[in-house]
Amino acid sequence: QAVVTQEPSLTVSPGGTVTLTCGSSTGAVTSGHYPYWLQQKPGQVPKTLIYDTSNKDSSTPARFSGSLLGGKAALTLSGAQAEDEADYYCLLFYSGSRVFGGGTKLTVL
Amino acid sequence: EVLLVESGGGLVKPGGSLRLSCVASGFTFDDAWMHWVRQAPGKGLEWVGLIRRKADGEDTDYSAPVKGRFSISRDDSKNILYLQMNRLKSEDTGVYYCSTLNHMDPWGQGTLVTVSS
Repeated sequence: QAVVTQEPSLTVSPGGTVTLTCGSSTGAVTSGHYPYWLQQKPGQVPKTLIYDTSNKDSSTPARFSGSLLGGKAALTLSGAQAEDEADYYCLLFYSGSRVFGGGTKLTVL
Repeated sequence: EVLLVESGGGLVKPGGSLRLSCVASGFTFDDAWMHWVRQAPGKGLEWVGLIRRKADGEDTDYSAPVKGRFSISRDDSKNILYLQMNRLKSEDTGVYYCSTLNHMDPWGQGTLVTVSS
């Protein structure tokens, strides 16, 4: 089974920009892995922010964007706000399975 | 609007069994591939398995830790997804979510399973 890797923790200043990444043990992450990004705040249910690499709807704040960067999936937060402090998980699709990354704990400080 | 409501969690002894249910509404359930995802206390999300729609053979796939012990099924006439869990271990403890894992669809609130003697 593939292993999906994320930064365990990151810190961003209010108003700053941060990029979270998501790598795969099988090689480069591509659009064929349909990368998802989910946000989970303490005590809450996970919520999808980005699907299929870079797609989102009006429920996702415009400051979040998804992309492929250097063989990984990436979630960029531009203009961080205190409310963005949360755990972020990426999800990759593999033939016959799905695999979550270990999650990134994002601190806004 | 997609609505998923899980139930059936509780306290069970190691080696025991439990069946979880997930009632779905707000979308065409029989056209959806459905997933179970779990989260151990204080830990990250872990994909458990999926069941394809009837048109795709209702085939199932499972993660390595649960393969051979867990079984996913569905009743499209009632819009219900099931997770049969056998030979439970302490490491199966956590909140279990059903999800479509499709685009921006929301998740259910989950149901807590505790495996302990």
